[in-house]
Amino acid sequence: AQSVTQLDSQVPVFEEAPVELRCNYSSSVSVYLFWYVQYPNQGLQLLLKYLSGSTLVKGINGFEAEFNKSQTSFHLRKPSVHISDTAEYFCAVSVRGAQKLVFGQGTRLTINP
Amino acid sequence: NAGVTQTPKFRILKIGQSMTLQCTQDMNHNYMYWYRQDPGMGLKLIYYSVGAGITDKGEVPNGYNVSRSTTEDFPLRLELAAPSQTSVYFCASSYEGNTIYFGEGSWLTVV
Repeated sequence: AQSVTQLDSQVPVFEEAPVELRCNYSSSVSVYLFWYVQYPNQGLQLLLKYLSGSTLVKGINGFEAEFNKSQTSFHLRKPSVHISDTAEYFCAVSVRGAQKLVFGQGTRLTINP
Repeated sequence: NAGVTQTPKFRILKIGQSMTLQCTQDMNHNYMYWYRQDPGMGLKLIYYSVGAGITDKGEVPNGYNVSRSTTEDFPLRLELAAPSQTSVYFCASSYEGNTIYFGEGSWLTVV
């Protein structure tokens, strides 16, 4: 079975500072990896995904993530955050050829002015 | 561009009541899902469907039922509501199980 661990439940950051949200996964087979963002009282929106190819993936809103197979990680980064990035971020994994996502517990990103 | 539409958005149920959360998608996706979200727990899969007429249990199916009579619709039925079912419910869909698109959520309180 697959599992996802988001290493930080909350990350406070000052505006315009860089941020990294950490995600580690466990799987014995090849996986697809995703980051979703959830703004207050809204559904989940896809930020970016890794299916294959280049391990550095660029997404919306200036976010990027790097797939590291040896460390089984898929950390999310942004070089300079904005107040509007305040949200909860979820890392998720699915097994290639399967149909289901397994989610991490979420990381609440708070941007302070 | 409707995407995945869920109704109702908010509902309060009394213990023991039943209700159906409706979900419809207009993207012709074959896969559909129901997740529940509890604080600090991420999202847990309740049921999913890989096509009309086919459904399967996820991680937390107890207390719920689903049906998939059409490609577009995937209702979630709660029988005999319990306080433990107080949660936010998300319907989602995908094509071939890769990128999953979510509805805006249904907030359910059981009192």
